[in-house]
Amino acid sequence: EAEVAQSPRYKITEKSQAVAFWCDPISGHATLYWYRQILGQGPELLVQFQDESVVDDSQLPKDRFSAERLKGVDSTLKIQPAELGDSAMYLCASTRDRPYNEQFFGPGTRLTVL
Amino acid sequence: GIQVEQSPPDLILQEGANSTLRCNFSDSVNNLQWFHQNPWGQLINLFYIPSGTKQNGRLSATTVATERYSLLYISSSQTTDSGVYFCAVRETSGSRLTFGEGTQLTVNP
Repeated sequence: EAEVAQSPRYKITEKSQAVAFWCDPISGHATLYWYRQILGQGPELLVQFQDESVVDDSQLPKDRFSAERLKGVDSTLKIQPAELGDSAMYLCASTRDRPYNEQFFGPGTRLTVL
Repeated sequence: GIQVEQSPPDLILQEGANSTLRCNFSDSVNNLQWFHQNPWGQLINLFYIPSGTKQNGRLSATTVATERYSLLYISSSQTTDSGVYFCAVRETSGSRLTFGEGTQLTVNP
């Protein structure tokens, strides 16, 4: 069964360091999402890609966060510099060519900033 | 933006009991999904149900889009059903999926 892949599963870093997360969506899924989930809350969208183009990054803190999907397949989310408040679960999801369809999530990357 | 409210926030059951989780939303939607978040944090798809009724084993869901709510039914609960259940919707005029705060379910043996 096809799944969304993410790595690493866990990341511990110190404040002011740079971190990067990787996501490989289900094959054939054109739309890719990055969400952030703070403990005790529901996930919130950071950025949405349609193929290699950014569709929605209105909630992405652009002073420190960046995301890319250069070839329209896998994607990287970067934080530089990391802050204590960035400690959270970072989830990647994908859907087929229409955004109305069902979203499937990867296992997530749990980030701890010390 | 659209508001999503889930109730109850916490639910404790004995194994074998039945339960109903509710999701209310404030605007028209073209996508509604129910997820179970396991102890490792992964979101497991339960239902994609923008309208109507679906069943999958001991779980079933109903969405009444005109009245802006959805219900998730869990019958004969098992300890493995424990975790957080999320409802997520996409409003008709938007593109993002908005999640509720979740229901924390604990099933005791």
